[in-house]
Amino acid sequence: GENVEQHPSTLSVQEGDSAVIKCTYSDSASNYFPWYKQELGKRPQLIIDIRSNVGEKKDQRIAVTLNKTAKHFSLHITETQPEDSAVYFCAAGGGADGLTFGKGTHLIIQP
Amino acid sequence: DAGVIQSPRHEVTEMGQEVTLRCKPISGHNSLFWYRQTMMRGLELLIYFNNNVPIDDSGMPEDRFSAKMPNASFSTLKIQPSEPRDSAVYFCASSFGEGYYGYTFGSGTRLTVV
Repeated sequence: GENVEQHPSTLSVQEGDSAVIKCTYSDSASNYFPWYKQELGKRPQLIIDIRSNVGEKKDQRIAVTLNKTAKHFSLHITETQPEDSAVYFCAAGGGADGLTFGKGTHLIIQP
Repeated sequence: DAGVIQSPRHEVTEMGQEVTLRCKPISGHNSLFWYRQTMMRGLELLIYFNNNVPIDDSGMPEDRFSAKMPNASFSTLKIQPSEPRDSAVYFCASSFGEGYYGYTFGSGTRLTVV
């Protein structure tokens, strides 16, 4: 089955700086790579996703890059703000199977 | 749309008791997934259904866990008998077709077994 590794487990950045979270996956058949944000006590919510036919996708301050050859993908958040503080999960999947999630990154935005 | 609806939001039960968690997927979604979230193990996929049929239950931890989807609008996850190590947040998610269109989580059920 799919195995997703996510790093770092905790990331602390100054407000206004950029944050980068990286994930690797094992199953070359995976073709869908979403990122979820989970605030304390809330459900994971989709913030951005990318499919294997695209190398990069951007939505305002967040962007995701995908390298299918190396089997890794990354989340980039620019101009970080206090409301970006949360746990972020990457995931990988393909076909009708369920998504496999990384262990999560606790992002802390220092004022 | 009300989204994926789970009940109860919180459940506290004694060890050995039966626990039933409920999920109503988004109308029109034909795939449903049950996840368990703990600090130690993160988000684990327990089982998923496609068109009400269980496709893969390899994530179900042991025979004490069972899941059903009697129709397109309802699913249950049952633990019998429950144990303290089952304490976790259980999420249900649903999506439409292949490609995970609209893959959406419910609010979760926080289960505490004492």
